[in-house]
Amino acid sequence: AQRVTQPEKLLSVFKGAPVELKCNYSYSGSPELFWYVQYSRQRLQLLLRHISRESIKGFTADLNKGETSFHLKKPFAQEEDSAMYYCALKPGNAGNMLTFGGGTRLMVKP
Amino acid sequence: ETGVTQSPTHLIKTRGQQVTLRCSSQSGHNTVSWYQQALGQGPQFIFQYYREEENGRGNFPPRFSGLQFPNYSSELNVNALELDDSALYLCASSLLQGFGYEQYFGPGTRLTVT
Repeated sequence: AQRVTQPEKLLSVFKGAPVELKCNYSYSGSPELFWYVQYSRQRLQLLLRHISRESIKGFTADLNKGETSFHLKKPFAQEEDSAMYYCALKPGNAGNMLTFGGGTRLMVKP
Repeated sequence: ETGVTQSPTHLIKTRGQQVTLRCSSQSGHNTVSWYQQALGQGPQFIFQYYREEENGRGNFPPRFSGLQFPNYSSELNVNALELDDSALYLCASSLLQGFGYEQYFGPGTRLTVT
């Protein structure tokens, strides 16, 4: 069975500092990896996926199959980045079944 | 924003009772997934419906069941409620786009079992 681990429950940084939210996974096949974000009083929404290899709101994430990681990075954090971030895995052959990590709350201080 | 809606927003039930939660997907979304999110945890996959049939299930007992209707609405039913069923229940509808299915989440229904 697959598993997603986000080792940090809370990450607090100052505005302008680099941010890295860690995500490690275990899965024997070829997964699809996603980052979802939930801003205060808003619903869960997709931030980015590894397949598209794009940068959204300055965030990037690279799938490292050797280390089974999919860390989310941003070089300069902004206060509006404060939110809950969830890493999620979809097995390659399992429809839309997402396995989520426990989430990391990012707080960007002024 | 694709406007996935859920009802009710929150409700309180007693242990042993049954509950039905509802989700309305956007027209054209033929797949709906349900998730349970306990406090302080990430969402856990319950099951998925595609064209009105269940086609994937997580590690949840049979007392969790669902329905999907031709008008893209869906239901999650939970029988014999237990205290541990207290959680936020999310539905997510899917639309095939580009690289694959992107799931659009609803705001959730907060269930409290006493």
